[in-house]
This record gives sequence, structure tokens and C-alpha cells, in this order.
Amino acid sequence: DQQVKQNSPSLSVQEGRISILNCDYTNSMFDYFLWYKKYPAEGPTFLISISSIKDKNEDGRFTVFLNKSAKHLSLHIVPSQPGDSAVYFCAATTGNQFYFGTGTSLTVIP
Amino acid sequence: EAQVTQNPRYLITVTGKKLTVTCSQNMNHEYMSWYRQDPGLGLRQIYYSMNVEVTDKGDVPEGYKVSRKEKRNFPLILESPSPNQTSLYFCASSLTLPPSSYNEQFFGPGTRLTVL
Repeated sequence: DQQVKQNSPSLSVQEGRISILNCDYTNSMFDYFLWYKKYPAEGPTFLISISSIKDKNEDGRFTVFLNKSAKHLSLHIVPSQPGDSAVYFCAATTGNQFYFGTGTSLTVIP
Repeated sequence: EAQVTQNPRYLITVTGKKLTVTCSQNMNHEYMSWYRQDPGLGLRQIYYSMNVEVTDKGDVPEGYKVSRKEKRNFPLILESPSPNQTSLYFCASSLTLPPSSYNEQFFGPGTRLTVL
């Protein structure tokens, strides 16, 4: 059973606008949440993370929001750039294990 | 250059023929892990290792073995591959846990395995 879910397989956004990627989870024991970016033919690369005791973490154009009561995580990219076009994976950890979502393919249109 | 390397990058094999996918990192990382990526399922963790001689099962360990005899290497062994193990495999490493921007998990480039 998928403990981390990304319900939108794809998202298209105009360059310069905000991209919002969403993620839901079921396990209340998750202690860290992460976002990874993946280009074709490459391994995922780390983008940003957040501890379960926080509700927001910001790093440049990327902000992650955590809503524990709703078991919901989102990644905001502002402003979106064509180079942001990739597949984004949400992930969560409990103990020493990682659980990933199915990914959202983001296309930023110039 | 700090990196995680995997070999081979592509492999086509037949059912039942034992194979090993190697993974090596040059960053003196303690935590290493194997994942498989399948369409509609995302990445799923197969096995992980907290340090030398310490390994544990992830979410989908059936049909796989691992070993961690040296800190830098974490091979994935398929003793009797079956077609349902056709997948894209990623090795990853991090200094330790928990993950953060100071302790990110680095992924290898992937190994595409086809079992006929």
C-alpha cells in the first residue's frame, strides 16, 4: 500500500509563474519529508527537506509546506523556470527507511 | 569528484541466471541504499545499510540480497532473477541520517535491468 501519494502525474506551468506540487501521506510516524528532482537518464537529486516538527522550509525559489493535521506536503517553486522541467518525487522517512511517491512531471512552458 | 557509481548501466539477462549490480561511493558515507523504480509505483526501497556489516530490509526485499563488507561498496545480488524484477535500479548514499540539505542522499545514475 502506497504510504506516500502524488495524485497529479503531470503539471504544466508558464515560465515565471508559481508551480505547486502536492503530496499526501498516510503514516503519522514519518519524521522527515523530502523533495527530489529527476531528469531523464539520471538519478534523483535532492531539492529540499523538512522535519516533521516544522511547517515550512525555504531554500531560494523552493519552499516546502507541511500540514501534519491534513497529512499533506507541498512544494512551491517561484518563479518557475524552463530548467525546472523534470519529474519531482516526494519522499518521507521513518527510522532508517525511505518511502517515495509516484512522481509528478512538471513542464515549465517558456 | 564526489559520486555514486553503478555497474552495469544496462543489463539484459534470462530468468534464473545469477547477477550482481555493483554500487560504489567515494564520499565515505555510512548510509547506503538500493531502490527500484517502476511505472506508477515510484521508487521503492529494497535494502539499506547503516554501516559496514549492518544491512536491513526495505519495503520490497524479496528476491534480492545485499552485502556491505567495505564502507564504499554495496552490491545488489539477484540469485535467481525473474521477469518481475525487470526495473530501473538506483543506488544511493548519504553521510548518515536524518536527511537534510547538509546530509543529502546522493543517487547513482541507475541500472536498467531486463529479465527475459
